[in-house]
Amino acid sequence: NAGVMQNPRHLVRRRGQEARLRCSPMKGHSHVYWYRQLPEEGLKFMVYLQKENIIDESGMPKERFSAEFPKEGPSILRIQQVVRGDSAAYFCASSPGTERQAFFGQGTRLTVV
Amino acid sequence: QKEVEQDPGPLSVPEGAIVSLNCTYSNSAFQYFMWYRQYSRKGPELLMYTYSSGNKEDGRFTAQVDKSSKYISLFIRDSQPSDSATYLCAMNDGGSQGNLIFGKGTKLSVKP
Repeated sequence: NAGVMQNPRHLVRRRGQEARLRCSPMKGHSHVYWYRQLPEEGLKFMVYLQKENIIDESGMPKERFSAEFPKEGPSILRIQQVVRGDSAAYFCASSPGTERQAFFGQGTRLTVV
Repeated sequence: QKEVEQDPGPLSVPEGAIVSLNCTYSNSAFQYFMWYRQYSRKGPELLMYTYSSGNKEDGRFTAQVDKSSKYISLFIRDSQPSDSATYLCAMNDGGSQGNLIFGKGTKLSVKP
């Protein structure tokens, strides 16, 4: 049973480009969570999705950031017009249900140059 | 005041020592408490999961929750060099288990 799979593991983008981060949850998990970890900072919740629905996006920046979890395929975190401050590690976690513990992937490290 | 406070360390101990890691929090609604271990450039790995107050033991690890003091601890007995990592406390109020409030993490180094 593969764990939470994130790709790419490393992503370099120039300022103004778009970044697309993908997350495939564990088999049987329909709940996905995205977190951001800035250098020397703890993990910060961004968004919680179920298939085809955004449940809680209270941690998402109001502009340039969006997330989806389509019926088929991985969850996508999309960052438009990236800026240097977007450089961070982005982690995805999945769980089989709201009341169950979430398991984290290995993260995507985004560097904006 | 931040919701969750955690001493960032770094903490350096000799092999075999007992390690004590702590977090304090301000939200009295928190009732689920977790400790994660994160190796450098890896994802967080769930170590301990506790509900409400009390102790929970798993091998060399013991988690304690004192809700009256809003204080949680993780003890590591007979520490090993392989325990060297950053330890993150996390908690929530019982809503979605994936929507967690994390501490900044304590970096632990266990010297052989």
